[in-house]
Amino acid sequence: QVQLIQSGAEVKKPGASVKVSCKVTGDTLSELSMHWVRQAPGKGLEWMGGFDPENDEKIYAEKFQGRVTLTEDISTDTAHMELSSLTSEDTATYYCASTSSALRYWFSLDQWGQGTLVTVSP
Amino acid sequence: DIQMTQSPSSLSASVGDRITISCRASQSLINYLHWYQQKPGKAPKMLIYAASSLHVGVPSRFSASGSGTEFTLTINNLQPEDFATYYCQQGYSARPLTFGGGTKVEIK
Repeated sequence: QVQLIQSGAEVKKPGASVKVSCKVTGDTLSELSMHWVRQAPGKGLEWMGGFDPENDEKIYAEKFQGRVTLTEDISTDTAHMELSSLTSEDTATYYCASTSSALRYWFSLDQWGQGTLVTVSP
Repeated sequence: DIQMTQSPSSLSASVGDRITISCRASQSLINYLHWYQQKPGKAPKMLIYAASSLHVGVPSRFSASGSGTEFTLTINNLQPEDFATYYCQQGYSARPLTFGGGTKVEIK
């Protein structure tokens, strides 16, 4: 069974960058389509970006274009999300979420990491 | 962007009740609509994909239906562990993927 294990909580200053990792176990990263979703305290879910298997490329929400970078290390089955120019508005729990190969074209998020809390504070 | 609107935003129910949550899309999704459950302090879990297909391990008291722009999630015989927040998400257009605002199911 696929499990996604995320890195620990982070505290960052405004203007800094943060990099969150997501380790895949029970499958290989190359078999999954990985996405990133965040949730501000007490708020709903917001998609940031992910992999589009139809066009074989990473795609990003316009809101985060130029500020978020998604990378993958196939050798370690680990995905990374780096967000730059942080502000207090970026304080949130960040989730990686994957789509299995069978469901990849549905863009359903069938497995989720446990979440990583990123706090941006002066 | 495809806008997703859930209703109600919250509801109170008792153990054993049957509840229905609605999700409306701003354009047709065909059946590219998925449902998630999130408990406080936990990651969301997928319940339903492709509008009506039960994800592996999800109890059969959960069901869903709909197509086009109107979708519903139904929970029969509500159990204590079902009190949570539920989200719909469209997978029709990945540019961007969008979620409904959520429906919080509370104990009456």
